[in-house]
Amino acid sequence: EPEVTQTPSHQVTQMGQEVILRCVPISNHLYFYWYRQILGQKVEFLVSFYNNEISEKSEIFDDQFSVERPDGSNFTLKIRSTKLEDSAMYFCASSHKGAWYGYTFGSGTRLTVV
Amino acid sequence: KQEVTQIPAALSVPEGENLVLNCSFTDSAIYNLQWFRQDPGKGLTSLLLIQSSQREQTSGRLNASLDKSSGRSTLYIAASQPGDSATYLCAVLPSGNTPLVFGKGTRLSVIA
Repeated sequence: EPEVTQTPSHQVTQMGQEVILRCVPISNHLYFYWYRQILGQKVEFLVSFYNNEISEKSEIFDDQFSVERPDGSNFTLKIRSTKLEDSAMYFCASSHKGAWYGYTFGSGTRLTVV
Repeated sequence: KQEVTQIPAALSVPEGENLVLNCSFTDSAIYNLQWFRQDPGKGLTSLLLIQSSQREQTSGRLNASLDKSSGRSTLYIAASQPGDSATYLCAVLPSGNTPLVFGKGTRLSVIA
């Protein structure tokens, strides 16, 4: 069964450093998403991406965050200057026809900011 | 604003028992509802997706129902096994193409 692949599985970074989280969505999917889950809390939406542009973003997704689909297969989330509160599990998801048909999530990247 | 609540927060049952997990949402204007499984420190595995026009979906030992008007869904697990131990998340897709809204999950332990 096709999978959404995320790398790395775990990243530790120092506060203030830039991190890039990588995702390879399912190949024929057109809609891409990032969600995150702070330990012990709900999964929360960050951003959705379609047709090479952001279609929606949450209040969390401020100027420190950016997304990119650099080569038609990868989908990346960049955090420019990490803060302690950015420590969370970050999930990439993709969908073929849009969220109303359901999402496929990746296995996540655990980001630890120290 | 859509809110999703899952009760109970944790549940421990002996192997073989049938069980029900509950999910409620505050706004009935939804496109669909999805149940996920999350193993500790792992990703989200989609279990069942119910469109707003549907009443239930079944996959193996799992059955999910949806009562949109009352803002409720249940996930029924038959003949539970230790391998079913995980956190089960409910998420709704509100109408208007806004993002998935998740509940906090029910942590299930099935004891052998």
